[in-house]
Amino acid sequence: GQNIDQPTEMTATEGAIVQINCTYQTSGFNGLFWYQQHAGEAPTFLSYNVLDGLEEKGRFSSFLSRSKGYSYLLLKELQMKDSASYLCAVTNAGKSTFGDGTTLTVKP
Amino acid sequence: DTGVSQDPRHKITKRGQNVTFRCDPISEHNRLYWYRQTLGQGPEFLTYFQNEAQLEKSRLLSDRFSAERPKGSFSTLEIQRTEQGDSAMYLCASSLVSNPQQYFGPGTRLTVT
Repeated sequence: GQNIDQPTEMTATEGAIVQINCTYQTSGFNGLFWYQQHAGEAPTFLSYNVLDGLEEKGRFSSFLSRSKGYSYLLLKELQMKDSASYLCAVTNAGKSTFGDGTTLTVKP
Repeated sequence: DTGVSQDPRHKITKRGQNVTFRCDPISEHNRLYWYRQTLGQGPEFLTYFQNEAQLEKSRLLSDRFSAERPKGSFSTLEIQRTEQGDSAMYLCASSLVSNPQQYFGPGTRLTVT
């Protein structure tokens, strides 16, 4: 089976850096996604990690350690529009299993 | 390419009625996924297709749920004898076999009264 854990809520200040952690225990693993979801909207793709290490894309970076079953999403220079839910998802043989998401609130 | 579309966007139905939702994926995408999402939770996998073949169906899915993708293009999800617990957002996504990044549609919000 698949078990994915993320913190439920986080709060950070505009302009700061925040790290959202995700741990997983899965019976199979092809890769790990991070998605952003604003309230009432569909998830949108942020990153995909297959190999260990850090992937950087603009203000967002994602890290993966397969041996530890651990990933994090790093958001830099936070903006108010970054207030959203961040979903971690493990993919295996075509199927993706999502965590329940971390609701990030960015305050001025 | 206009992205993934879903119809209807909202559906209100009475308990016991049948409902059917449609998803049109990105045209060249051969994989299509259905998820269900309730407030405060992540999307829950329901089923997925590769072309017209249904490759996996969640064991949590009751036999009231059925999905089809008859020509490997659009897909339909039918829920028979709806229950209040079926109230949720139903999300469709599509991808290429060669690239697992999934593109989500806007979802169909179902309310069962």
